[in-house]
Amino acid sequence: DTEVTQTPKHLVMGMTNKKSLKCEQHMGHRAMYWYKQKAKKPPELMFVYSYEKLSINESVPSRFSPECPNSSLLNLHLHALQPEDSALYLCASSQDFRRLGNTIYFGEGSWLTVV
Amino acid sequence: AQTVTQSQPEMSVQEAETVTLSCTYDTSESDYYLFWYKQPPSRQMILVIRQEAYKQQNATENRFSVNFQKAAKSFSLKISDSQLGDAAMYFCAYRSTGGNEKLTFGTGTRLTIIP
Repeated sequence: DTEVTQTPKHLVMGMTNKKSLKCEQHMGHRAMYWYKQKAKKPPELMFVYSYEKLSINESVPSRFSPECPNSSLLNLHLHALQPEDSALYLCASSQDFRRLGNTIYFGEGSWLTVV
Repeated sequence: AQTVTQSQPEMSVQEAETVTLSCTYDTSESDYYLFWYKQPPSRQMILVIRQEAYKQQNATENRFSVNFQKAAKSFSLKISDSQLGDAAMYFCAYRSTGGNEKLTFGTGTRLTIIP
């Protein structure tokens, strides 16, 4: 089972709403990632969790709040977003963050529209 | 900072023909990995092929092969016998040690397959 599952696939939210994106993997991976991808651009790393601890925060605004409840789950809590935050949010996982050759598996993403 | 450059925003190829996508990168590291990912319209990033910098032999995965020129910092992807399912955005990516374990993507090449 080489799947990273993301929900919801589509989300429309107002600037005052609070919502969450969810990600799940059952491959026993200990590294999980959030990427943001704007149209026609490459993915940009937001956060990395390694062994359930936040390892990297790429200077992401605090209106994005990641959470890793356990090694299989990764959430991204959204609050007071701006229209420019509209993008595809990709979750990914790999066996170990420090092993460079490990395959990073991606989910299909959650399309977020902020109105 | 490491950079990855893909100079071809778009490419097209006749079905069953061969196409080469180019990628160059800039690094001062000696230990690193290079990857090609494809992102079809389904949006899921899928690993196509990987190359470890220490290995001189070019990686091959079925119809996909790379031409890795370490001194020139070049990493091109050759797709043989192109199929309609190969149509996608292709991203070249880089990972290294020393705080650069995150995956750095190029800007992507959109590949169209002409029936």
